[in-house]
Amino acid sequence: EVQVLESGGGLVQPGGSLRLSCAVSGFSISGYVMNWVRQAPGKGLEWVAGLSGGGVVTDYADSVKGRFTISKDNSKNNLDLQMNNLRAEDTAVYYCAFQDIAVTSVGVGADDYWGQGALVTVSS
Amino acid sequence: DIVMTQSPLSLYVTPGEPASISCRSSQSLLHRNGYNHLHWYLQKPGQSPQLLIYLGSDRASGVPDRFSGSGSGTDFTLRISRVEAEDFGVYYCMQGLQTPRYTFGQGTKLAIK
Repeated sequence: EVQVLESGGGLVQPGGSLRLSCAVSGFSISGYVMNWVRQAPGKGLEWVAGLSGGGVVTDYADSVKGRFTISKDNSKNNLDLQMNNLRAEDTAVYYCAFQDIAVTSVGVGADDYWGQGALVTVSS
Repeated sequence: DIVMTQSPLSLYVTPGEPASISCRSSQSLLHRNGYNHLHWYLQKPGQSPQLLIYLGSDRASGVPDRFSGSGSGTDFTLRISRVEAEDFGVYYCMQGLQTPRYTFGQGTKLAIK
């Protein structure tokens, strides 16, 4: 059974730091495209950070570049998001997401797993 | 960055009736592998998004066949042939062409009429 369990959310003051973690069981995260996606209260989905399937390429939304760092630990099957210098506008539910879209000579397939979400509130 | 634009932003449908959502991208999502890297998600209240359609028209595992996706290049459509009570929520299109840099549409809220 696949489980994706997020932890690390909470209340933090502006300028503070927080680390989110996603613990995965039931599949190996290596080879998956790994992302963090957030959703501000009452708003839509916003991509925040991503890590390519090979773990070589990382990318960040302009709004978090230089403040957030995405990382993985294949041995622990974990995905993390280190968030520094947090701002009020970073307040949101943060989801980790794992995607494998396969295109092969015999057809296509998709595996797509999301965590349950972790609430991050930045407020004084 | 690829910008994704959905329409309408809200849709009121009577159960049993069809529904259609449009998604337009600012540049072509056709990959050199011949597939459009456009995916559709449904987010029900209080839940994480769930994949419905991937690569423009392929249904994810367990998704009922009343859901279908079509389109190519920059214009895509999600259709529900007969809306059921469990289909209500917010639908998002997402481009996966610029992996790992994804982009979502604004979302379309499907509500009961």
